[in-house]
Amino acid sequence: KAGVTQTPRYLIKTRGQQVTLSCSPISGHRSVSWYQQTPGQGLQFLFEYFSETQRNKGNFPGRFSGRQFSNSRSEMNVSTLELGDSALYLCASGYGTEAFFGQGTRLTVV
Amino acid sequence: GQQLNQSPQSMFIQEGEDVSMNCTSSSIFNTWLWYKQDPGEGPVLLIALYKAGELTSNGRLTAQFGITRKDSFLNISASIPSDVGIYFCAGQLNTGTASKLTFGTGTRLQVTL
Repeated sequence: KAGVTQTPRYLIKTRGQQVTLSCSPISGHRSVSWYQQTPGQGLQFLFEYFSETQRNKGNFPGRFSGRQFSNSRSEMNVSTLELGDSALYLCASGYGTEAFFGQGTRLTVV
Repeated sequence: GQQLNQSPQSMFIQEGEDVSMNCTSSSIFNTWLWYKQDPGEGPVLLIALYKAGELTSNGRLTAQFGITRKDSFLNISASIPSDVGIYFCAGQLNTGTASKLTFGTGTRLQVTL
């Protein structure tokens, strides 16, 4: 059974640009959550999608958005990138109360 | 953002020793999860706890869900070099969903031969 797949693994962007990250959940999982991991703030919840609907949202500015497609794949978008957005972005595929994480996308904003 | 208090922050132990780490919160959670993260990888789920007072084992790992639902501990017995990594606790309030995990600050484990 394939795990959670995140693409790309690494990304370098310039301040002011926008970026889209992709996540394919484990087959059969309908819940996809996104987390930001930084050395200073640790792992912080961004949002969760279930059956194409945003079900929960963390405390991040509106520049962070996401969506989920009918095949449960999810994308996360960050607009007007800031230096502080540099982080490891993790996607978690959920079944019941257990969340399984992908390898993450390492975003560096320069 | 909110983070759970996890201790110790780091540990240096010798191979074969037992390890204990814990996590506390000012809020009640309905589920506690323990994860291990290797460098450059995403967290891997180790143990899930669903009931207050529950004690669960997974090989050399044992975890307990505190009676007050505000804390949890993880024990690793007879540590081996591959136990090196960062361990995170995570609390979840919403039942029946995998959403909105609140993570601990992490415990970095180093194992020496």
